[in-house]
Amino acid sequence: DAGVIQSPRHEVTEMGQEVTLRCKPISGHDYLFWYRQTMMRGLELLIYFNNNVPIDDSGMPEDRFSAKMPNASFSTLKIQPSEPRDSAVYFCASTTGTLFAFGSGTRLTVV
Amino acid sequence: DQQVKQNSPSLSVQEGRISILNCDYTNSMFDYFLWYKKYPAEGPTFLISISSIKDKNEDGRFTVFLNKSAKHLSLHIVPSQPGDSAVYFCAAVNYGGSQGNLIFGKGTKLSVKP
Repeated sequence: DAGVIQSPRHEVTEMGQEVTLRCKPISGHDYLFWYRQTMMRGLELLIYFNNNVPIDDSGMPEDRFSAKMPNASFSTLKIQPSEPRDSAVYFCASTTGTLFAFGSGTRLTVV
Repeated sequence: DQQVKQNSPSLSVQEGRISILNCDYTNSMFDYFLWYKKYPAEGPTFLISISSIKDKNEDGRFTVFLNKSAKHLSLHIVPSQPGDSAVYFCAAVNYGGSQGNLIFGKGTKLSVKP
C-alpha cells in the first residue's frame, strides 16, 4: 500500500484565493482526520470522518474552512477565502482504530 | 485548554546518553497513548504506544512509561543516536468513549549531538 497520499505537497496562493487540499487514505481505513501544524499550536485536529461521515468538526477554525469526504478513498479540505494566518502544514491521517498513518502533508503559504 | 502538554519545546542530548521526553495530560478518560516521530518535510510516523492498563512498554531502544496517578508519561531513548534527532509528539486517545481522535501535544524537538 502506498500509504496516505496528500496533494499538493506545496501550495502558494494569494490572500483571498480558494485553496483545496486533497487526501487519499489507506484502503480499508474507516477513519480519516485532518490536522494542521503550526509553531504556536503544534498539531491540532481540524475535523475527522468515520465511514465518510463527519463526526467532529469543532476544530475547524472558521466558516472559511470546509471538508468533504464524498467516498471512502478521497477527502478534500477547502479554504475560501484564504488568509495569511492559514499558512501552515496540513496533514491527513487515516486509521482503522489503533495506529494512525499520516500523509506527508501539504505546506500551505498564503501571501 | 490543552489536554496533552509537552512543556519542553526542545531537548539536546549527547550521543550515547539517555533522552527523556515528557508529556502530561489532563483527561482521565484517555485509555491509549502514543508517541510519534516527525522529520522535517515528512508526516509523523508511529514510534511506540502504551495502553492505560500498563505502566511500561519497551521496544528496542525506546521505552514509554505511564504514571496514571500523575497523568504523566515519558519516552526514554537509550542510547540516543544522531538519527533520533526529530520532533517527538505525544498523543492520547479515548477509544472506549465516542472520541476516536488523537489529541497531540505541541511536540519536543530532540537534537542528539555526535
